[in-house]
Amino acid sequence: DTAVSQTPKYLVTQMGNDKSIKCEQNLGHDTMYWYKQDSKKFLKIMFSYNNKELIINETVPNRFSPKSPDKAHLNLHINSLELGDSAVYFCASSHYNRNSPLHFGNGTRLTVT
Amino acid sequence: KQEVTQIPAALSVPEGENLVLNCSFTDSAIYNLQWFRQDPGKGLTSLLLIQSSQREQTSGRLNASLDKSSGRSTLYIAASQPGDSATYLCAVPIIAGGTSYGKLTFGQGTILTVHP
Repeated sequence: DTAVSQTPKYLVTQMGNDKSIKCEQNLGHDTMYWYKQDSKKFLKIMFSYNNKELIINETVPNRFSPKSPDKAHLNLHINSLELGDSAVYFCASSHYNRNSPLHFGNGTRLTVT
Repeated sequence: KQEVTQIPAALSVPEGENLVLNCSFTDSAIYNLQWFRQDPGKGLTSLLLIQSSQREQTSGRLNASLDKSSGRSTLYIAASQPGDSATYLCAVPIIAGGTSYGKLTFGQGTILTVHP
């Protein structure tokens, strides 16, 4: 199936741990994104990569580090997890042009205890 | 700063009704507006993208309109079905030097329930 797939779907961990979320797309897109949806369902962009180059880096704690090994993959590593990091993290992809719709993965629900 | 508001926050209708979801935005300097659908526990599915030069876009029973000057968009759903139950989100691009494609500001969504 052509899609944006991210793993894991659920992630439960304790404060202070380090965790990673992986994302892959096979849509032939050259741009990938991480969005965060908080408990109030508000979606906000975190990062974007175009052809492995970071092009959007919002005001996100530097405990969050994205990595794009190639244009089909974008991973998110989070160090020293805090309670406030609990949210649903969505990966998305698109072509790099203004009118290319975004395609989203199914999300990773991160719970920090 | 761009702000996107969706009204109503929730809507419950009987099957077969035609309905309208509203989206308003504060900065009219946009080049498109997107409507998405989010099912519980799932990601967002792109429904329609209206370019700023367009007034309407249609896909099946869905019709979206855009009035840039007044900062409004509507999503019209004809002959609603229980399978249409989901959260509907609208989003506009955040324009920052024209290079940040895909950087979107989202509304908080309208939760739609269509009951049989």
